[in-house]
Amino acid sequence: QQQVRQSPQSLTVWEGETAILNCSYEDSTFDYFPWYWQFPRESPALLIAIRPVSNKKEDGRFTIFFNKREKKLSLHITDSQPGDSATYFCAASSWYNQGKLIFGQGTKLSIKP
Amino acid sequence: DPKIIQKPKYLVAVTGSEKILICEQYLGHNAMYWYRQSAKKPLEFMFSYSYQKLMDNQTASSRFQPQSSKKNHLDLQITALKPDDSATYFCASSQRDWGGNYAEQFFGPGTRLTVL
Repeated sequence: QQQVRQSPQSLTVWEGETAILNCSYEDSTFDYFPWYWQFPRESPALLIAIRPVSNKKEDGRFTIFFNKREKKLSLHITDSQPGDSATYFCAASSWYNQGKLIFGQGTKLSIKP
Repeated sequence: DPKIIQKPKYLVAVTGSEKILICEQYLGHNAMYWYRQSAKKPLEFMFSYSYQKLMDNQTASSRFQPQSSKKNHLDLQITALKPDDSATYFCASSQRDWGGNYAEQFFGPGTRLTVL
């Protein structure tokens, strides 16, 4: 069962544009949503995370928008840079899941200079 | 200095053999995890441990056995290896507070396993 879904599978934007990565989930008990990014041949690294108490989380050029009613969230990357080219994973966990993260399939983002 | 150490970095095994993947974390965390990443399933949760106790097991096969000899160690023993086990195995850790909430998870560099 795919509990966390991401779209698109791959995305290419020009340098300086805003990239929008989408994520949806099924389990209404999820209460923590981190986004990880992963560069080739490296391990995933936490980029930004949100809890449902707020519908927006911002960190520099990266912003999460969260819609609890629709069970959707999105990651916006403004002023995209070539160094942002990576695979982005949306993940989710519940308070009772003992920290287990359930990951989406990932979105491969390419930034064209 | 690396905060999470995984050994070895690369591992080649023959079908039917047994291997142990090593993980040590020096972040002072009380929870540790194993995840697997392959072309078929990008990042898949396997196990979680808290205070050296198994909290969750999502692997269908008993061929995968976590082993925690110390608070900051969580090794993964894999027996009767199959080609389908070929993947990168990531160890991760986080801190659980007294309220039962888990902070962000940090991932180790991974062990890339190839089963021939």
